[in-house]
Amino acid sequence: GAVVSQHPSRVICKSGTSVKIECRSLDFQATTMFWYRQFPKQSLMLMATSNEGSKATYEQGVEKDKFLINHASLTLSTLTVTSAHPEDSSFYICSATQGAMNTEAFFGQGTRLTVV
Amino acid sequence: SQQGEEDPQALSIQEGENATMNCSYKTSINNLQWYRQNSGRGLVHLILIRSNEREKHSGRLRVTLDTSKKSSSLLITASRAADTASYFCATDLTPDTGRRALTFGSGTRLQVQP
Repeated sequence: GAVVSQHPSRVICKSGTSVKIECRSLDFQATTMFWYRQFPKQSLMLMATSNEGSKATYEQGVEKDKFLINHASLTLSTLTVTSAHPEDSSFYICSATQGAMNTEAFFGQGTRLTVV
Repeated sequence: SQQGEEDPQALSIQEGENATMNCSYKTSINNLQWYRQNSGRGLVHLILIRSNEREKHSGRLRVTLDTSKKSSSLLITASRAADTASYFCATDLTPDTGRRALTFGSGTRLQVQP
């Protein structure tokens, strides 16, 4: 199947700093990528839908100024957590689909963010 | 908000036994998918069943879908210790909403004892 690479897998940062997470589709073009957040032993919560060449669509309750999403190319979307706080500590996962809506999604390996 | 609820939340069985997980959802769907997640890792796609299908098999996996009850089940037969993971159902929404992202159920944590 298609491969989505997410980097870094783990990051520890200080409160107030910003962290960038990259999500790349390695062998296909992804016009749309999705960013999810997952707390321990819980399900994935959609944060935003990232569209190549346009602004991301954020879910209700997700601060767009705090979670900056850039989808500058068909193979790369980035999520930047700005002015991170300990409550932003979580597992962040990206996914992408090939083409039509009714197909499986391919997920990155996830990024464990710890804000100290 | 979560579309689906899964039960049980946690399931512990012995190797060789079958494991059944259930998922319920609220809205109309085009398809329903099941994913597996090992602890601290990304998700791996297991199987997709379309809204006009009732049952689908893939190796030791069997998925059923009942759109009248808005529910699905995942059966893993002859389980192995390596099947230990969390399992999530995920639904898309109908094209009318224009939404393309998957909405995940609450997940079932499966522990297979060797």
